[in-house]
Amino acid sequence: SQQGEEDPQALSIQEGENATMNCSYKTSINNLQWYRQNSGRGLVHLILIRSNEREKHSGRLRVTLDTSKKSSSLLITASRAADTASYFCATDAVTGGGNKLTFGTGTQLKVEL
Amino acid sequence: GAGVSQTPSNKVTEKGKYVELRCDPISGHTALYWYRQSLGQGPEFLIYFQGTGAADDSGLPNDRFFAVRPEGSVSTLKIQRTERGDSAVYLCASSLGDRGPYEQYFGPGTRLTVT
Repeated sequence: SQQGEEDPQALSIQEGENATMNCSYKTSINNLQWYRQNSGRGLVHLILIRSNEREKHSGRLRVTLDTSKKSSSLLITASRAADTASYFCATDAVTGGGNKLTFGTGTQLKVEL
Repeated sequence: GAGVSQTPSNKVTEKGKYVELRCDPISGHTALYWYRQSLGQGPEFLIYFQGTGAADDSGLPNDRFFAVRPEGSVSTLKIQRTERGDSAVYLCASSLGDRGPYEQYFGPGTRLTVT
């Protein structure tokens, strides 16, 4: 079963604009990760944020985590056409262990020239 | 270096047939995970191995699904008596261990179509 929801389900922006995607989850977590999936390709890891962290940056990516609200956001700044992909958040639950990931339903991002 | 590889990339089979899907993880990665992704959904966990043993198979939908990793490297996901509902992309991932957090590296997937 899916851990939670991503919002919005689809997002279309112009190149150069910022894109923000949100993720909500249900159970207590050890960490939360964001992955990108291009059409017909495998998943690529973008960034990992631990449950005791509130914000993390990597290049044009900024991730926030609010464990009290069980939510996270991914901000992509100065978007490019190559950022067009589906984006998934994935959580590693406190119970169960083993780093098995529970994914959200994904946000489809389209960046237009 | 080489990433996670999966074979075949596509598999079409008839309902009721048996299929095997192979995953070759990154060398040195002790943890190996199988996920299944249906169209328009996020991947769903099936099973993971730490070394040769299946540490958690709670995601396997029923006893038609089985996976092995006999030498702690390559893994095979086996599906008996396939049903149309088994059609999906089967993803394999590997990581350095299961006591991380460790990034999981995903393969390109095997697209299974049951007709």
